Formats: sequence, C-alpha cells, structure tokens
Amino acid sequence: GQQLNQSPQSMFIQEGEDVSMNCTSSSIFNTWLWYKQEPGEGPVLLIALYKAGELTSNGRLTAQFGITRKDSFLNISASIPSDVGIYFCAGHVGGSSNTGKLIFGQGTTLQVKP
Amino acid sequence: DTGVSQDPRHKITKRGQNVTFRCDPISEHNRLYWYRQTLGQGPEFLTYFQNEAQLEKSRLLSDRFSAERPKGSFSTLEIQRTEQGDSAMYLCASSLVIGTGGQFFGPGTRLTVL
Repeated sequence: GQQLNQSPQSMFIQEGEDVSMNCTSSSIFNTWLWYKQEPGEGPVLLIALYKAGELTSNGRLTAQFGITRKDSFLNISASIPSDVGIYFCAGHVGGSSNTGKLIFGQGTTLQVKP
Repeated sequence: DTGVSQDPRHKITKRGQNVTFRCDPISEHNRLYWYRQTLGQGPEFLTYFQNEAQLEKSRLLSDRFSAERPKGSFSTLEIQRTEQGDSAMYLCASSLVIGTGGQFFGPGTRLTVL
C-alpha cells in the first residue's frame, strides 16, 4: 500500500536554529499537508500544498510540494520553545479517485532547547 | 469554539464491552472522517462520510466497528466487544466537499481497553 517516509524521526535543536524535515513517497499525491500534534491533542493543520512546485509560507514555516509530486519538505526558521511537538506530513491522492483518505508519515519529533 | 469536537476525551473500558464515541464536525463541512492513531504512529484512516453517506471504509474497520452519520451532521463510532488491541486515540476530522484535502481534526478520544 501507499506509504510515506518521513525524516528525520526526531530532532533536538537549540532555540533560534532553523529546522528542516521531509517526506517522500513511492506514489504520486495531488495534495500534501503538514500537521503538528502536541501530546494528548489532535493534529493541527499547518500548511496545505495543492500544486507541484508550490512553495507556501505560514509565519516562520515554509513548505514545498515537490515537482515529482512524490515528496515535500517543511522548514521552520528561528525555532522557539513552543515549536516542540510531532510534525506529520500527509498526502492525499485526490483527483478522480474520490478517496477521502489521507496517508500519514511516521512523524518527526521536535525538541527545542531554550 | 467552532472547531471539531469529540466526546468523550477519554474512555476506559473492560475487554468485551461496547463503547461509542461522538464527533461534531465544523458546521459547514460536508465530509467527516474517522482515523485511529496508536502510540508513535501517524493517524490511520478508518472511514469517511459525505453528508450522511458512508463512502469509504478501510480494511482496518473490522466487523466490530460501525460508524454512522444519520443526519449528515454529527457522527458516532461504535466498537463492539472491545479488545485490548483497540486501545488507541480515535480522531475525527472534517472538511469541505469541494476542497483539495485539507482536513481539520478534533482533539481525539483516547480509548484504553483493560
């Protein structure tokens, strides 16, 4: 079945540093989404990407939809302690498939040292 | 708060008992999704509704699981004869029909089967 490989699995960084994480797939997706999840809560949508090559920002977060439609990355600039959490990428096939299913990566756990 | 809400937030039950969870989506969203998340993993798709019609079910949704959305608004997920392997976070999400995959999640229901 479809799988997303997300890396790195975890990161421990100093406050103020930039962070980069990525997600790759063996299949094509028509939408890429990035979520953040904190303990005991549901995932919160950070950025949605709808077009190959698209680069979208949300504050200090920037994400790109890979040209091949098989990958995406998320960058966080000037990290702060509240960036701590688990970041998930998710892909949606969309198009004529009419599936509602999002396929999620395994997550990247981010820890920020003040 | 106009986000997705779920009730209860936590449920502890004994093996063999039935449990039911409720999800109230964002009011203007036509699509409603159920996912299951186990520790250290990303959410896994279970099923989704468009209005009151259940359009897709995952193979993860065994015969003991049933979901309904009778009036196209809130949804319930019932698990019959619970097993210890059912222990997980059950997440509900909603989205617009005309969208490109952006699903908004609720806080989840944490189920523990003893």
